[in-house]
This record gives sequence, C-alpha cells and structure tokens, in this order.
Amino acid sequence: GEDVEQSLFLSVREGDSSVINCTYTDSSSTYLYWYKQEPGAGLQLLTYIFSNMDMKQDQRLTVLLNKKDKHLSLRIADTQTGDSAIYFCAETEYNFNKFYFGSGTKLNVKP
Amino acid sequence: EPEVTQTPSHQVTQMGQEVILRCVPISNHLYFYWYRQILGQKVEFLVSFYNNEISEKSEIFDDQFSVERPDGSNFTLKIRSTKLEDSAMYFCASSEQTGPEAFFGQGTRLTVV
Repeated sequence: GEDVEQSLFLSVREGDSSVINCTYTDSSSTYLYWYKQEPGAGLQLLTYIFSNMDMKQDQRLTVLLNKKDKHLSLRIADTQTGDSAIYFCAETEYNFNKFYFGSGTKLNVKP
Repeated sequence: EPEVTQTPSHQVTQMGQEVILRCVPISNHLYFYWYRQILGQKVEFLVSFYNNEISEKSEIFDDQFSVERPDGSNFTLKIRSTKLEDSAMYFCASSEQTGPEAFFGQGTRLTVV
C-alpha cells in the first residue's frame, strides 16, 4: 500500500524558519496535505497542494513538492511558540476516498 | 467557523462491550469518514460513507464495525464486542464533495480495559 514517511521530531528557536519534510511512495497521488494537531485537539487542515504544482504559499506557510523525488516539505517562516504541534503529511488518490497519513512530526519551538 | 464535532471526547469501556462513537459533520457536507490512530502509530483509514452507504472500507473495518447516519446530522461508528486492540483515537471527518478538503473532528479517545 501507499507509504508516507516523516521524521518524528524537529526543534527550532522562535523566529527561525522550520522545514518539515515528507516522502511518499504513491506516484498516482493527486493531492498532498499538511495537517496540524495541537495537544488535545483534532487534525486541522493547514494547506494542500495539487500534484501538478510545485509550490504553494499561504502567509507564513510554503509548501514545496518535488514530484520526481516524491518529496513534500512544509516551511514555516518566523516560527512562533504557538506553532508547536504535531504536523501530519497526507496524500490521497484521484477519488479522495481515503487519506494516507505519515506518522507526524512533532515541532518544538523554543523561546 | 463550521467544524466537525465528536462525542464523547474520551470513552472507557470493558472488553466485550459495544460502543458507539458519535460525530456531527459540517452541515452541508456529503462525504463522511472514520479514521483511527493507535498510540504511537499512523492515522489509519477505516471507512468512507456517501449517500447512505459505504463507499470504501479498509481491511481493519471488519464485521465488528458498522457505520450509520441515523438522522440528518449525526454519523456514528459502532464497535461491537470491543477488544483491547481497539483502544485508539478515533477521528471523524467530512467533506463537501469528494476532495480536496476534508475536515476532521477533535477525536474520541477510546480505551478498552
């Protein structure tokens, strides 16, 4: 089946940029997503990118997609302590019937 | 802002008992999903539901599980004869149409003892 992999932890200082990486195996992926999970909360949709795009920017968030290498990244500019959370990469096929998630990257932002 | 709500937030049940996890999807959404996350593992797809029937289900979603939309607002997951390994966080999600945006609830933590 489809496999989505992420590193488990990332620690940055407040004000720095964070880059969270994800790799996936399914070449038929249609959309790729980033979800954020704060403690005790659900999965919040942050952003998504269509597979024929290579970049999407939304305020402090920049998503880069390298389809050849099946690599997705999320860059958070000017990281704040409120950005501390678990970030999940996910992908879906053309029918959107199901999402495949990575294990999540726990971002720790130090003041 | 509309959101998917799940109740209860935490449920403890005895092994062998039946549980019903409840979800209220966003009101104009037509596609509904259940996912689960066992502690330390990935979020896994269980089932998708559209037009009052299951669209797709995973291997996990066996006869022990069932879903229902009993009225115009609720979407439920029933787990019969719970096992210890059913302990997990269960997430409900909904989307307006098939992709690309699916919105998740805050989850129900199920603990089977």
